[in-house]
Amino acid sequence: QSVLTQPPSVSGAPGQRVTISCTGSRSNIGAGYDVHWYQHLPGTAPKLLISGNTNRPSGVPDRFSGSKSDTSASLSITGLQAEDEAHYYCQSFDSSLSHWVFGTGTKLTVL
Amino acid sequence: EVQLLESGGDLVQPGGSLRLSCAASGFPFNNYAMTWVRQAPGKGLEWVSTIIASGGSTYYADSVEGRFSISRDNSGNTLYLQLNSLRAEDTAIYYCAKTRLAAVHTYFDYWGQGTLVTVSS
Repeated sequence: QSVLTQPPSVSGAPGQRVTISCTGSRSNIGAGYDVHWYQHLPGTAPKLLISGNTNRPSGVPDRFSGSKSDTSASLSITGLQAEDEAHYYCQSFDSSLSHWVFGTGTKLTVL
Repeated sequence: EVQLLESGGDLVQPGGSLRLSCAASGFPFNNYAMTWVRQAPGKGLEWVSTIIASGGSTYYADSVEGRFSISRDNSGNTLYLQLNSLRAEDTAIYYCAKTRLAAVHTYFDYWGQGTLVTVSS
């Protein structure tokens, strides 16, 4: 069981906005450690979407944005497209475990 | 273009061993830390191990400490993961990832497509 909790699933219609939460604690997100986000389609290579809480790597559409507050972080996707249907994971560091951790993962369904 | 190609996954009996490889290209391999991440069937991503650019320091998840060993060949641009004393719960797709090592702020900017390890009798 991960120390970073995400909703198992979220959904939205094309064009809508969805938000995926990543809830941690004082030993990870709340300690000031950066949160990063990845997109993963089963059978393919995971892709970095957001680094350092809010930074989009080159090539990632500006429809994707990240935020962080206190002990949680969020990934927002606006203008949903069919190609966004995938699993999404947050990642940070946990001082109690002394290693890097991933969130439980969220499956996004585009209706 | 960054490319990471894993290989070596196989069906192995409990207690057995396996060595995974990750061939890297498209970036200066000897300048970057590298990481192995795995995904068990129906589960999420799990960090396994990280090695710094020089190979001088390594880090392991508690679940694999003492059984797995990460190493690298900077002259051959290849990352390795030696898996010993394998258990059924080690069954997973193993991904290698180029790593932006920044202490607690570390993240993984490029990933391979993974190699499947199945531990079963």
